[in-house]
Amino acid sequence: ILNVEQSPQSLHVQEGDSTNFTCSFPSSNFYALHWYRWETAKSPEALFVMTLNGDEKKKGRISATLNTKEGYSYLYIKGSQPEDSATYLCAPGPRDDKIIFGKGTRLHILP
Amino acid sequence: DAGITQSPRHKVTETGTPVTLRCHQTENHRYMYWYRQDPGHGLRLIHYSYGVKDTDKGEVSDGYSVSRSKTEDFLLTLESATSSQTSVYFCAIRGQSVLSGANVLTFGAGSRLTVL
Repeated sequence: ILNVEQSPQSLHVQEGDSTNFTCSFPSSNFYALHWYRWETAKSPEALFVMTLNGDEKKKGRISATLNTKEGYSYLYIKGSQPEDSATYLCAPGPRDDKIIFGKGTRLHILP
Repeated sequence: DAGITQSPRHKVTETGTPVTLRCHQTENHRYMYWYRQDPGHGLRLIHYSYGVKDTDKGEVSDGYSVSRSKTEDFLLTLESATSSQTSVYFCAIRGQSVLSGANVLTFGAGSRLTVL
């Protein structure tokens, strides 16, 4: 089983502030990393899929970077808004088919 | 919702009874997945399928079996349900995103199972 760690487990951020959190994984035998956003009472939705070392992806105020050599990915949210409150899941994998998630970072945006 | 439906959406059953959850897709995607959601654990992979009659175990496969007799349907069976299997179960399909072109998971709405 791939050892995926997401930190922090939970995060409270003031509306308007920027924030970031981490997904760490074994750097050997890497294939791809997925980021998903999961709002309460809804289904997870894909944010990014990253494959190359140094990859940077952006979607609105959310961006992500990937370092496969050291085994981590950062997710950044600029100017947090209430709608950003969600659990953010990452799934790094040595294979493209067996997609296993970390436990997630639960983000709470404070008004 | 992207051509994936789960049934039933809610089920209450008793310990020891068999339960089957169905995932149906209209996207003709090869890969299908079953996950369970539990507090403190996020989403854990139970089983997945990479084609008709081709399945593999995930992280928490004990007590579960799956079948995929046709592309569109992926069934998850609890042969003898236990209270520890009370959870929300999510099915997902993997296919190309129209926005990014990347192969991503699209999830169903979830099936809430309570085992008394």
